Amino acid sequence: IAGITQAPTSQILAAGRRMTLRCTQDMRHNAMYWYRQDLGLGLRLIHYSNTAGTTGKGEVPDGYSVSRANTDDFPLTLASAVPSQTSVYFCASSDGEESTDTQYFGPGTRLTVL
Amino acid sequence: GQNIDQPTEMTATEGAIVQINCTYQTSGFNGLFWYQQHAGEAPTFLSYNVLDGLEEKGRFSSFLSRSKGYSYLLLKELQMKDSASYLCAVLDSNYQLIWGAGTKLIIKP
Repeated sequence: IAGITQAPTSQILAAGRRMTLRCTQDMRHNAMYWYRQDLGLGLRLIHYSNTAGTTGKGEVPDGYSVSRANTDDFPLTLASAVPSQTSVYFCASSDGEESTDTQYFGPGTRLTVL
Repeated sequence: GQNIDQPTEMTATEGAIVQINCTYQTSGFNGLFWYQQHAGEAPTFLSYNVLDGLEEKGRFSSFLSRSKGYSYLLLKELQMKDSASYLCAVLDSNYQLIWGAGTKLIIKP
């Protein structure tokens, strides 16, 4: 049983570098999401995808891009990392059949930008 | 703006009962979720309420009052493994989840 996997588990990155966080799910879920979680703040949605081939912007999309070439994979790219992007990043997915479907989360990626 | 309020931290004793409150002000309402998150781990689903009233699921219950913009999560017969953060999230009119900052629950023997 895999569910949702994320890679890497953690990463230290120099400011200005490009970085892609990987997310793969094997539940054949239609919808996928990227969140960041910072101390004292709730999870904040970065980008989402309701189905393969479509993406949308969340609450904090600036500095991030995503793609959804197929059902299983939803990578998040930081084109030029900045220290304010230091955070824990969670990928999630839901069946998407109904808008109120439960979201299931991956284990997270802890990213530090120096 | 949209806002979800939860206490930052609560402490309770093993075997006791604790109630974690959540108040919300959002643009529309399509349901409220509670998630549990152990330190260093991913959030996991606990409950979903869309109608007023109490939903019971084992030792955990969740209550919703839409007119008051209020929910609570009730944990009974507390166990040490219940030490975690509890996240309240509301599905707004655009079916986007708006998350509270979470309540860290500390269980003492």
